[in-house]
Amino acid sequence: KAGVTQTPRYLIKTRGQQVTLSCSPISGHRSVSWYQQTPGQGLQFLFEYFSETQRNKGNFPGRFSGRQFSNSRSEMNVSTLELGDSALYLCASSLMGYEQYFGPGTRLTVT
Amino acid sequence: QKEVEQNSGPLSVPEGAIASLNCTYSDRGSQSFFWYRQYSGKSPELIMFIYSNGDKEDGRFTAQLNKASQYVSLLIRDSQPSDSATYLCAVLPGAGNNRKLIWGLGTSLAVNP
Repeated sequence: KAGVTQTPRYLIKTRGQQVTLSCSPISGHRSVSWYQQTPGQGLQFLFEYFSETQRNKGNFPGRFSGRQFSNSRSEMNVSTLELGDSALYLCASSLMGYEQYFGPGTRLTVT
Repeated sequence: QKEVEQNSGPLSVPEGAIASLNCTYSDRGSQSFFWYRQYSGKSPELIMFIYSNGDKEDGRFTAQLNKASQYVSLLIRDSQPSDSATYLCAVLPGAGNNRKLIWGLGTSLAVNP
């Protein structure tokens, strides 16, 4: 079974721009969770989508948004990028939401 | 506020020794407990998980739950240098329909040859 894929793997953007990250979950998995990881901050939960509906949301500003498509693929968007948004963005796939399998991540650098 | 705490380490053990990693949680009703390993520059990898009804052993890894003291342990027997990584603990709280995993910050493990 193919694992979780994330694209792109690396991204460099300028402050003020917007970015869209993509995640394809494991076949059959309906839950996709997004996390931001920075040194010293651990895994910060952004949101979870389950069957195209946002089921949970973390404490991030409205600049961070996401969606899930009928094939379970998910995208997250960050608008008006700030320097502090530089991080590793991880997507995790799960059948029901709890036993999560992570993709390789997208490393975003904002300059 | 539900919390999960881990000693950041680094925990340093000699090759062949038993490494013991602990994770404490605040929600007494927590039902499931997950251990992930994360190598530097990589994404977390699920090692094992247990439910509130018992411990589990998988090869060199054993996860043990102490419900009374509200902590879960990961034991790594015959530690190898390749076990050097950060170990993340995640806990599923017990209540609510839309529960989400609560994550610890991780413990850094160094296995010395």
